Amino acid sequence: DAGVTQSPTHLIKTRGQQVTLRCSPKSGHDTVSWYQQALGQGPQFIFQYYEEEERQRGNFPDRFSGHQFPNYSSELNVNALLLGDSALYLCASSLVGTKNTEAFFGQGTRLTVV
Amino acid sequence: QKEVEQDPGPLSVPEGAIVSLNCTYSNSAFQYFMWYRQYSRKGPELLMYTYSSGNKEDGRFTAQVDKSSKYISLFIRDSQPSDSATYLCAMTRSGTASKLTFGTGTRLQVTL
Repeated sequence: DAGVTQSPTHLIKTRGQQVTLRCSPKSGHDTVSWYQQALGQGPQFIFQYYEEEERQRGNFPDRFSGHQFPNYSSELNVNALLLGDSALYLCASSLVGTKNTEAFFGQGTRLTVV
Repeated sequence: QKEVEQDPGPLSVPEGAIVSLNCTYSNSAFQYFMWYRQYSRKGPELLMYTYSSGNKEDGRFTAQVDKSSKYISLFIRDSQPSDSATYLCAMTRSGTASKLTFGTGTRLQVTL
């Protein structure tokens, strides 16, 4: 049973560019959440997708957008990259409607903005 | 002030020691409390979760929640070098894996 998979694992972008990160949830899961983890910090919630719609959003600017596809996979897009966007981007999947709050995380995409 | 406060460490202990990790929080709406372990260059993995106040034990790990004090703890007994990692506390308001609010994480090093 494949867990949460994210691609790519690493990438380097230049300030002002745009980037797309991808996530495939754990088999059987229908909800995808994205987190940003800066070096030495805990993950910060960006947004959550369920039924192809953004359901919750954290305190991130509109430069951060996302999408969920019918097969539950998801993309995170960041426009007009800033140096401060350099971080580990984590995807977590879960199954809505269950009391178990376990969210399974992928190993993340490390984004470096230069 | 952050909603969840956690001492970043690093915390260094000898093998076999009992480790105590703690978080405090300010939002009384939090109902579910979790501890994640994160190895270097990996995503967090869930160790334990607790609903509301109380204790929960799983092998060498014990989680405690005191909602009256807004204080949660994770105890690791008989610590092993393989326990060396960053430990993150996390909290949510609801039971549907919604927005997780994390602490900064405590880096733990268990030495031989």
